[in-house]
Amino acid sequence: AQKITQTQPGMFVQEKEAVTLDCTYDTSDPSYGLFWYKQPSSGEMIFLIYQGSYDQQNATEGRYSLNFQKARKSANLVISASQLGDSAMYFCAMREGGGSNYKLTFGKGTLLTVNP
Amino acid sequence: DSGVTQTPKHLITATGQRVTLRCSPRSGDLSVYWYQQSLDQGLQFLIQYYNGEERAKGNILERFSAQQFPDLHSELNLSSLELGDSALYFCASSVDGDRHNEQFFGPGTRLTVL
Repeated sequence: AQKITQTQPGMFVQEKEAVTLDCTYDTSDPSYGLFWYKQPSSGEMIFLIYQGSYDQQNATEGRYSLNFQKARKSANLVISASQLGDSAMYFCAMREGGGSNYKLTFGKGTLLTVNP
Repeated sequence: DSGVTQTPKHLITATGQRVTLRCSPRSGDLSVYWYQQSLDQGLQFLIQYYNGEERAKGNILERFSAQQFPDLHSELNLSSLELGDSALYFCASSVDGDRHNEQFFGPGTRLTVL
C-alpha cells in the first residue's frame, strides 16, 4: 500500500483564492511527522510546513496551513490568497517512527497552476 | 537558498561510466540524506548519513555508494551507469537529534545518461 497518497495530479485555482491540496497517509506508527514541500519549475525543493502526530493544533506558516485529521489519516495543505508564484509541484511527505531513521517518504505530487 | 550546496548542477555522461555527486550540508547539520527523483519512480530516499556513519538505507542500488567525510560533506558515487539512472539527485540535511526538524534540500544535480 502507498504510504502517501496525493489523489490530485493537477489543480487549478484563480489568483487570490484559496486552494486545498489533498494528502492521505498510511502508517501504524503512533509517532510520525508530515511535511509539505514545494517544487517550482526550477527544480529546488522548498520546505513549507510540518505537522507532528502528537501536535494538538494544526500547523500554520503564513499563507500555508495544514488541515490535520488524524482519525482520517489526512494532512491537507491549504494555501490562502493564491499568488502566481504559487504555481509549482507540491509534495506531501511522511517521516515515520523514531530511533535514528529520519528518511522521508514522498507522495507523487500535485501540480498547482494559479491563473491570473 | 536552503544553505545546502550540491555540485555539479548538471552532469551528462555515457552508459557504463562512473560519476560522483557532491553535497555540503547546512552549517551545523550533522545528517545528510540522498534522494533520487525520476519521472517513473518519483522522489525516493536512497541513503542517510549522520556524522560520518551510515544510518539508514532506502532504495539504493548496489552500483551506488555514498560516504560522509569528517568535514560533513557527502559524496554519492554512481557506477556502471544505465539510461534509467538519469534523474535529479537531491541532497538534504537536517540538524538531527530533534526528530521534528525539517530536511533542507539542495538545488539538486541533474544527471543525464546517454
